[in-house]
Amino acid sequence: AQSVAQPEDQVNVAEGNPLTVKCTYSVSGNPYLFWYVQYPNRGLQFLLKYITGDNLVKGSYGFEAEFNKSQTSFHLKKPSALVSDSALYFCAVRDKAGRRALTFGSGTRLQVQP
Amino acid sequence: GAVVSQHPSWVICKSGTSVKIECRSLDFQATTMFWYRQFPKQSLMLMATSNEGSKATYEQGVEKDKFLINHASLTLSTLTVTSAHPEDSSFYICSASPGIQGGTGELFFGEGSRLTVL
Repeated sequence: AQSVAQPEDQVNVAEGNPLTVKCTYSVSGNPYLFWYVQYPNRGLQFLLKYITGDNLVKGSYGFEAEFNKSQTSFHLKKPSALVSDSALYFCAVRDKAGRRALTFGSGTRLQVQP
Repeated sequence: GAVVSQHPSWVICKSGTSVKIECRSLDFQATTMFWYRQFPKQSLMLMATSNEGSKATYEQGVEKDKFLINHASLTLSTLTVTSAHPEDSSFYICSASPGIQGGTGELFFGEGSRLTVL
C-alpha cells in the first residue's frame, strides 16, 4: 500500500528566510507526487506535482519541490518565506498504476514569523 | 485550474437528522469524484470514490448506509450523512479531476463542508 510521511507537525521560519517542508513516500513502482496547501476552513489548493522528468519541480507562489528517488523524498521548498505562506501543507502520492485517489500525509503547519 | 464547488460550507443539525452535501465540477465533467473527511488537526482520509452512473466504492471502515453517495450526473455528486450523530461532526471535502490524463492530473478540491451535529 502507498503511504506518505511528513515528519514535522510544524515548521517555524522567519520571513525572508528559506523554508523546507519534508515529505517521504512509499509506493510500489514509480510515484506521482503532489503538494497542496490548506488555509483555515478551506479546501486544498494545488501547488505542484512531479510526474516525470526534471527532479526539480516549480509550482505556484514561488514554491518548488525536489524529487529524490534514492531517498524516496519530495521536499517542498521556497527561497524566501512570506508571512502569507503560513498555512497547512500536505504532501500526497498516487501510485502510477493505481487509482486516481490521492493518499495524503499528516500535514505540516508552516508558521512564518514577521 | 478547474473549479470544484461544494455546498453548504457550514451546516449545523440535530442528532438523528440527515444532511446532504453537494459537490459540483463547474467547468469540467467528472466521471469520478472523491469524498474525503478531515478531523481537526489531522490529514484527509478518503471515504469513498463516487462513480457517475454506478455505485460508489467505499473505503474499509466507512459505513455505506450512513454515508450515502449519489453521482447522478457528470458534474454533481452528493454525500448524505444519514441519522447524523455528534461523532459524524467533521470537515468533509470533495475532489475531482478533469479527465483521466493517464492518472497524472492533480485533483481539484471543493472548499469543504463543516458539519456540526448537536
